[in-house]
Amino acid sequence: KNEVEQSPQNLTAQEGEFITINCSYSVGISALHWLQQHPGGGIVSLFMLSSGKKKHGRLIATINIQEKHSSLHITASHPRDSAVYICAGDNTDKLIFGTGTRLQVFP
Amino acid sequence: EPEVTQTPSHQVTQMGQEVILRCVPISNHLYFYWYRQILGQKVEFLVSFYNNEISEKSEIFDDQFSVERPDGSNFTLKIRSTKLEDSAMYFCASAIAKNIQYFGAGTRLSVL
Repeated sequence: KNEVEQSPQNLTAQEGEFITINCSYSVGISALHWLQQHPGGGIVSLFMLSSGKKKHGRLIATINIQEKHSSLHITASHPRDSAVYICAGDNTDKLIFGTGTRLQVFP
Repeated sequence: EPEVTQTPSHQVTQMGQEVILRCVPISNHLYFYWYRQILGQKVEFLVSFYNNEISEKSEIFDDQFSVERPDGSNFTLKIRSTKLEDSAMYFCASAIAKNIQYFGAGTRLSVL
């Protein structure tokens, strides 16, 4: 069965802390998407990766294909990073979503 | 910056009624998707659409659901006879290739 598992479910941090969110996925998933869902519900794509590492500003995403594991890191976290972060596995023409990690960053 | 536009933002309907949710994908995109998110639950894939046909659909996407790209710009999701359990946020997304997907702001469907 194709599955995507995320941890932790909830995460709180102080401003400036380094954040890591983890995602494990099953066989049949060829790439991993990281998405951000704002409190109002809107979804923004952050990364899609099938190997290695990608960086955009303070966000870094890595993937280990052998271990079927991906991580999203946020450096120097800020209250505006507070959102739900979702990993989604790409299985042919569909995305299989994790349950999301709710991040709250306090000043 | 180009964006995916969804209308309406909130749709209220009576059980058994037909609803059409509308999406205008980014103009040069070729791949189109519908997802739904029931309140408090994870996002679920409904259907993907490419080259004027469905390329993949989930178990949720039964005979009550249909998609159409009637005029080359709009991409619609129709629910023929709504049920209470169809109440959810419906997201449309588009992509230029099988990579980053751009999401609309969603349509909240409330079935009474």
